Amino acid sequence: EAGVAQSPRYKIIEKRQSVAFWCNPISGHATLYWYQQILGQGPKLLIQFQNNGVVDDSQLPKDRFSAERLKGVDSTLKIQPAKLEDSAVYLCASSLDRLGNSYEQYFGPGTRLTVT
Amino acid sequence: GNSVTQMEGPVTLSEEAFLTINCTYTATGYPSLFWYVQYPGEGLQLLLKATKADDKGSNKGFEATYRKETTSFHLEKGSVQVSDSAVYFCALLNTGTASKLTFGTGTRLQVTL
Repeated sequence: EAGVAQSPRYKIIEKRQSVAFWCNPISGHATLYWYQQILGQGPKLLIQFQNNGVVDDSQLPKDRFSAERLKGVDSTLKIQPAKLEDSAVYLCASSLDRLGNSYEQYFGPGTRLTVT
Repeated sequence: GNSVTQMEGPVTLSEEAFLTINCTYTATGYPSLFWYVQYPGEGLQLLLKATKADDKGSNKGFEATYRKETTSFHLEKGSVQVSDSAVYFCALLNTGTASKLTFGTGTRLQVTL
């Protein structure tokens, strides 16, 4: 079974530029999560999708961050404009179904963003 | 709200030493508890889990017991190997409208020969 795919793996941009990350979850997983992991901290949930609907985006800085999952499969997370404090690893995860039997989240390798 | 507190690292051990990484939590209701491991340059991998009080999760020689009375989920391994060097995250999940994982800050383990 293929795991969660993310791209790019690394990205370096200057502040005020924009950037986008892509995630393809495990096939059949209805729930998709984006986490931000700042160096030395645990991952923090930014947004959670159930199919193509948003379940929780309470910690997403909506003035600069946006995310979509238009067809209920893959997803993109965008930052525009980026700030220095956005430097982090952005992790995507997926799980089978929040109403199903498994809440276990499977994580992708992450995208390491450096904002200079 | 939900929170997870882990012992600070780094933890440095010699190979074959006994490992304990402490984890305590605060949550409403009856959360599920997890340990995730992150090897250098890789994403998070689920190491073990427990879904109710007194459950013991185990995997790859690691164990953790869900203790509701002390709100703890300490990670243990009887004999660590160099290959266990990684960052370990304790996490809880409260199912409901939004099944959100709450992570601790992570504990770096360094095992030396």
